[in-house]
Amino acid sequence: QVQLQESGPGLVKPSETLSLTCGISGYAISSGPFWGWVRQPPGKGLEWMGSISHSGNSFYNPSLKSRVTISVDTSKNQFSLRLTSVTAADTAVYYCARDLGGGSHDFWGQGTLVTVSS
Amino acid sequence: QSALTQPRSVSGSPGQSVTISCTGTSSDVGGYNYVSWYQQHPGKAPKLMIYDVTKRPSGVPDRFFGSKSGNTASLTISGLLPEDEADYYCFSQADGSVVFGGGTKLTVL
Repeated sequence: QVQLQESGPGLVKPSETLSLTCGISGYAISSGPFWGWVRQPPGKGLEWMGSISHSGNSFYNPSLKSRVTISVDTSKNQFSLRLTSVTAADTAVYYCARDLGGGSHDFWGQGTLVTVSS
Repeated sequence: QSALTQPRSVSGSPGQSVTISCTGTSSDVGGYNYVSWYQQHPGKAPKLMIYDVTKRPSGVPDRFFGSKSGNTASLTISGLLPEDEADYYCFSQADGSVVFGGGTKLTVL
């Protein structure tokens, strides 16, 4: 069974960089096909942030493209999210998930709340 | 504002059927057979219910049915159960990215 677990700071200051890691167990990241991040501001809907293949080909939400980077570490069987220049609008629950392609995410982490505040 | 348009809410009685629509354009829903639907209960991670427009992951009841016509995808839930009450979201492959709907709250009366 594929299991994913997000980890990282729960509080980030405005203008700083949000960094999260998604650890994968029960499945090799190199088996792919893709790995992605989806976020959800409190009380609002889901927002696809981006996905990456095990080989490093990445795709991002155009509205975030200049600030977001997703990377893969096959040696640690994990992938990461980096979001720069955060504001309060980036406060959300961040989910990592396996992406079958085309926006279909079949296994999800439990989510982690990141609050942007000074 | 989400790229895909979903009704904010739908409702139905136990045993009835409901359909949730997801309207996009020829650059996303209409141009690809990659529409997925997610169910989300409060405080929980989303759950994949339909992918590739019509496919059901293992374990999803056949009461959940996905379809597409033109630029609009639909999720039909038949034989409504109280546990179907949740928020539902659609995602679609688009040109170079993925777009998504704003979500529909399903109330089982």
